[in-house]
Amino acid sequence: QSVLTQPPSVSGAPGQRVTISCTGSSSNIGAGYDVHWYQQLPGTAPKLLIYANTNRPSGVPDRFSASKSGTSASLAITGLQAEDEADYYCQSYDNTLSGDVVFGGGTKVTVL
Amino acid sequence: VQLVESGGGVVQPGRSLRLSCAASGFTFSHYLVHWVRQTPGKGLEWVAVISVDGTKTSYADSAKGRFTISRDNSKNTLYLQMNYLRPEDTAVYYCARDNGGYYDDSGFQSYYFDSWGQGTLVTVSS
Repeated sequence: QSVLTQPPSVSGAPGQRVTISCTGSSSNIGAGYDVHWYQQLPGTAPKLLIYANTNRPSGVPDRFSASKSGTSASLAITGLQAEDEADYYCQSYDNTLSGDVVFGGGTKVTVL
Repeated sequence: VQLVESGGGVVQPGRSLRLSCAASGFTFSHYLVHWVRQTPGKGLEWVAVISVDGTKTSYADSAKGRFTISRDNSKNTLYLQMNYLRPEDTAVYYCARDNGGYYDDSGFQSYYFDSWGQGTLVTVSS
């Protein structure tokens, strides 16, 4: 069981908007620590998608956006495209664990 | 920025393996670096982190006492020595650069991973 909770899967038709939630607790997201998101295309390494809650690295399309509120964060993909079919992971910092890095369990996005 | 892991393979339970991660394209000695693993078909699990000078380390509970992270800044290389391997250690192991993380009196303040290697597969099986 991951410290951060994500839905196992979401799906949408091309052009639609999908959202992925990432729920934490008072020791991680709720404590004010930033949330970061990664995209993992099939057979490849994870790639940074969003950092510090809302920021896109250079080269990431603006159809990807994210937000954070309270003990949760969310990633939105608007104008869903076939190439967005991938696994998405949230990540944050936790102040109670022996290691400080925590990931969500991942969400598989399927483009119908 | 490039990170290239090596050293994976098939190993019997109880044996050891050392992974390497060669870094290039940035000043390696300026960054925290981590090992993160991914079991087949499953999610990401953080394994270990090391300070910029290599004197401080932190491990996930699953790695404590069995794995050792180290670095050689003169060679721009990160290592993971894995001893007493178990079948549940079977995974793809990634090295990752921490952008913005640091170590202070409170311990590690890890941030986000802006560069990942391609991963190396470790299979623990008899």
